[in-house]
Amino acid sequence: KQEVTQIPAALSVPEGENLVLNCSFTDSAIYNLQWFRQDPGKGLTSLLLIQSSQREQTSGRLNASLDKSSGRSTLYIAASQPGDSATYLCAVRPSSQGAQKLVFGQGTRLTINP
Amino acid sequence: DTGVSQDPRHKITKRGQNVTFRCDPISEHNRLYWYRQTLGQGPEFLTYFQNEAQLEKSRLLSDRFSAERPKGSFSTLEIQRTEQGDSAMYLCASSLEQGGNQPQHFGDGTRLSIL
Repeated sequence: KQEVTQIPAALSVPEGENLVLNCSFTDSAIYNLQWFRQDPGKGLTSLLLIQSSQREQTSGRLNASLDKSSGRSTLYIAASQPGDSATYLCAVRPSSQGAQKLVFGQGTRLTINP
Repeated sequence: DTGVSQDPRHKITKRGQNVTFRCDPISEHNRLYWYRQTLGQGPEFLTYFQNEAQLEKSRLLSDRFSAERPKGSFSTLEIQRTEQGDSAMYLCASSLEQGGNQPQHFGDGTRLSIL
C-alpha cells in the first residue's frame, strides 16, 4: 500500500529565505507526483506535476524534484514571500493497473513571517 | 475555463439526515474524482468516474454513500443517514485524460458539519 509522508508538519521562516519542503513515498511504482497548495478553508491549487520519467519541473520561484528510486521529492521555494503562506501537499498517482486516484501526504503548513 | 465548481460551499445538518453535494467539472474533462479531507489531514480518495461510468470506489465509501455522473458532465455525491464521522471537507477534482499524465484540478470543496 502506497504511503506518503511530509516532514516537517509545520515550518515558519522569515520573508526572503529560500526553503525546501520534503515528501517521501513508499512505493516507487508511480505515474507522477503532484504538488498542491491549499489556503485555509479552500480547495487545492495545482502547482507542479512531475512525470515518473522526469527529474524536475520549474514554475516561477518554485522548483520540484523527483528521485523515484529513493521515493523522494522536494519542493524548493526561492525568495519566500508572506503570500506563500499556506499548506503544501504532495500526492503520487500509483501506476498499479487501473489506479487513477492520488495518494496524499498530510501536508506541510508553511508560514512566512514579514 | 471556469474551474471546478462545487455547491454548496458549506452544509450544516443534523445527524441522521441525508445530504447531496454537486460538482461541475472543467468543461470537457472526462474524468471526475471525489475525495474527503478531515482537519489536518491530506485528502483521501473516495471514487472516480470516466465519463458516466464509475470505475473505482474506495473502501471508505460505505453503503450510505452514493455518487452519480448521469450524463458524463456534473456529478452528485449523496450521503444517507449522516453520522458525526461524516463531518469533513468533500473535494471534487477533474482531469482530461488522453493517455498521458494530466494534473487533477480541484474545486473549493463542500464543508459538511454534522450536529
